[in-house]
Amino acid sequence: KQEVTQIPAALSVPEGENLVLNCSFTDSAIYNLQWFRQDPGKGLTSLLLIQSSQREQTSGRLNASLDKSSGRSTLYIAASQPGDSATYLCAVPSGTYKYIFGTGTRLKVLA
Amino acid sequence: NAGVTQTPKFQVLKTGQSMTLQCAQDMNHEYMSWYRQDPGMGLRLIHYSVGAGITDQGEVPNGYNVSRSTTEDFPLRLLSAAPSQTSVYFCASSYGTGAYNEQFFGPGTRLTVL
Repeated sequence: KQEVTQIPAALSVPEGENLVLNCSFTDSAIYNLQWFRQDPGKGLTSLLLIQSSQREQTSGRLNASLDKSSGRSTLYIAASQPGDSATYLCAVPSGTYKYIFGTGTRLKVLA
Repeated sequence: NAGVTQTPKFQVLKTGQSMTLQCAQDMNHEYMSWYRQDPGMGLRLIHYSVGAGITDQGEVPNGYNVSRSTTEDFPLRLLSAAPSQTSVYFCASSYGTGAYNEQFFGPGTRLTVL
């Protein structure tokens, strides 16, 4: 059974710092991995989708990497800003039709 | 494109009442799904659909019904609301018929059952 873990559960950093969020999964036979951002009281916004054949994806200040063999993905945020404060979730498919989500990392960037 | 829309945004029910949460998407996505999000539990899949007329159960289907008569709409029905169904409900959709592509989420419905 696929399980997804995100550590740490919460993170507080000063503005301008580069930071790494972690996502671990137990079954390495995944088709893809998706990172989301969730603002308080809002829905999930897709940030990056990495296919199993890719090692990383970049969008602006965000870079996500995928290492299937070790069951890990990292989301790197460069030069963090207060507007980056949110909860970040990762999700992987479990079987053909279902996704399993991590419980998220709550990020606070201090001005 | 409006993307994925959900109504209502907020709802309060009494135990035993029934209601339908609406979800619609205008991206012609075949795959649609419903999740509930609870503190400390993360997002859990309730039901999903891979096309009109095709639905199946997720992790936590008890107490919920779904149907998919059109590609655009995927309503979630609570048959007899219970306090344990107090949660935030999200609808999502993606291109294709499986868990292969980028998922798009609606803004959510915050439900309280008294």
